[in-house]
Amino acid sequence: AQKVTQAQTEISVVEKEDVTLDCVYETRDTTYYLFWYKQPPSGELVFLIRRNSFDEQNEISGRYSWNFQKSTSSFNFTITASQVVDSAVYFCALTLTGTASKLTFGTGTRLQVTL
Amino acid sequence: GAVVSQHPSRVICKSGTSVKIECRSLDFQATTMFWYRQFPKQSLMLMATSNEGSKATYEQGVEKDKFLINHASLTLSTLTVTSAHPEDSSFYICSANVPGQGADTQYFGPGTRLTVL
Repeated sequence: AQKVTQAQTEISVVEKEDVTLDCVYETRDTTYYLFWYKQPPSGELVFLIRRNSFDEQNEISGRYSWNFQKSTSSFNFTITASQVVDSAVYFCALTLTGTASKLTFGTGTRLQVTL
Repeated sequence: GAVVSQHPSRVICKSGTSVKIECRSLDFQATTMFWYRQFPKQSLMLMATSNEGSKATYEQGVEKDKFLINHASLTLSTLTVTSAHPEDSSFYICSANVPGQGADTQYFGPGTRLTVL
């Protein structure tokens, strides 16, 4: 069975600070996919990134960056120069290869960015 | 692309009534949709997998007679909460699969907040 752990329940930062959200996963499969989703107060989950297990290259998208390390089974998410609009719950998730694969979600990290 | 809508966004109903929630993929066809339930400050709990043209697959502990799922077309899945009770009050979210290399990506609807009085 798969498991995703987001040990940080809540993080509070001041605007413009950098913040890293941790994600640790467990799976016995060698091929899998990792995701990050953002859930703002409105409730809708917004897809941020998808990464397969064979691609360990870090990715940067604007102020967002992701660090995937298979050696530590981690897929951490960093927001640089955080903004109030980044305030949301962030979920890390994992799925195995195949169509209609179920997502295994972490418990989420609530990020509060204040002025 | 990959937009998923849900209707209604919010519903309040009396105990004992049934409530239907629609999930639509607006700009793509989805052979598979998922229904989740989320309690306040908790993660998403998968309720069932909805497959177009066939019966839904329910997760353990989810009553299929209480949560009726119909996936009649490639762009529409519905969840009907039958004989709703206050404990059914929750945030219900659907997602639709966009095929991808190796594995699909799920795109989520905006959710439906159900309150049963």
